[in-house]
Amino acid sequence: GAVVSQHPSRVICKSGTSVKIECRSLDFQATTMFWYRQFPKKSLMLMATSNEGSKATYEQGVEKDKFLINHASLTLSTLTVTSAHPEDSSFYICSADGTGPYEQYFGPGTRLTVT
Amino acid sequence: AQSVTQLGSHVSVSEGALVLLRCNYSSSVPPYLFWYVQYPNQGLQLLLKYTSAATLVKGINGFEAEFKKSETSFHLTKPSAHMSDAAEYFCAVSAGGNTPLVFGKGTRLSVIA
Repeated sequence: GAVVSQHPSRVICKSGTSVKIECRSLDFQATTMFWYRQFPKKSLMLMATSNEGSKATYEQGVEKDKFLINHASLTLSTLTVTSAHPEDSSFYICSADGTGPYEQYFGPGTRLTVT
Repeated sequence: AQSVTQLGSHVSVSEGALVLLRCNYSSSVPPYLFWYVQYPNQGLQLLLKYTSAATLVKGINGFEAEFKKSETSFHLTKPSAHMSDAAEYFCAVSAGGNTPLVFGKGTRLSVIA
């Protein structure tokens, strides 16, 4: 089946630094990838839609200058949290559109902790 | 616009008992509906999905869900709960195509021995 990987799975960084999270579709090409954020004991909230070769579309309330998304190839999207603060600590999950009738595959998530 | 309401943030059942997790949706277009399971500190695993074919959908691990348009519901059931079913369950809706999923708030399932 289709597999989506995320790297790193966990990251701890200091406040003010930037962190890059990678989302890869391992055995299929994805023109569209999505980035979600999940707060503890909460649901997933869509942050942005990432389309290969074009600018990401951000949801209302998501700072595009803080959460930089790049979808440079059909198998890779990256989310960079710039100038991270403790309130950015969260579980970030990506998903990629597959080629089936309707298939969306989720990555295993990245736990970000900002100290 | 689409939305999902999961009734009950926490459901507790005895091992071997019926599992029923409720999900109601709102959608302005024919919906695609999903149930996902999430174990602690892990990503989402797809249990099953409805994509306008059969209204009774069978998924993995013995779960199934029935799409009822008249009730705008997509409840998840399993005849006999197992300890390993204890997890967080999310219902989600989408408009299909390259559109994102809209998730419910989740229901935590506890299974009591």
